[in-house]
Amino acid sequence: DQQVKQNSPSLSVQEGRISILNCDYTNSMFDYFLWYKKYPAEGPTFLISISSIKDKNEDGRFTVFLNKSAKHLSLHIVPSQPGDSAVYFCAASEDSNYQLIWGAGTKLIIKP
Amino acid sequence: DVKVTQSSRYLVKRTGEKVFLECVQDMDHENMFWYRQDPGLGLRLIYFSYDVKMKEKGDIPEGYSVSREKKERFSLILESASTNQTSMYLCASSLTGHLYGYTFGSGTRLTVV
Repeated sequence: DQQVKQNSPSLSVQEGRISILNCDYTNSMFDYFLWYKKYPAEGPTFLISISSIKDKNEDGRFTVFLNKSAKHLSLHIVPSQPGDSAVYFCAASEDSNYQLIWGAGTKLIIKP
Repeated sequence: DVKVTQSSRYLVKRTGEKVFLECVQDMDHENMFWYRQDPGLGLRLIYFSYDVKMKEKGDIPEGYSVSREKKERFSLILESASTNQTSMYLCASSLTGHLYGYTFGSGTRLTVV
């Protein structure tokens, strides 16, 4: 059973607009969440993270929101740029566990 | 610049061959991981290691083995390559403690013919 779900395989957004990528999880023991970005033929790179004691974390154009009661997090990219076109992975971990549990990824396409 | 290096970007091997994928990290990380990435399936954990000579099975260990003789090196071995092992293989490393996330290598695209 998937503990971390990204239900949208792909998302297309106009350049300059907001991109919203969603992630749901089932394990209430998760207390740390990360987003990674992956270009074709490259490894994923860390983008932004949030711990369960917060509900928002911001880094430049990227903001992650966490709704613990709904077991839902989202990544907002504002404004979206062509270089943001990539696959985005959501991942989560428990405090006592160094393993990351990964979602299946969402392919973001930024249209010019 | 700290990094994780995978020895090959692209490999083509024949069915039945023994295949070695090498990964080296220069960050003194305790933990190392091997994943494969397939379209629609995301990242699936094959094996991981939290210390030298230690290894743990991930979600899909069948057909694979690993070796970690030194802290900086983690090798993935396909004992007898099969066409369903055609995939992108990603190595990652991390410090103990979830605050740090993983650092990934650039990946090895393996094709088994």
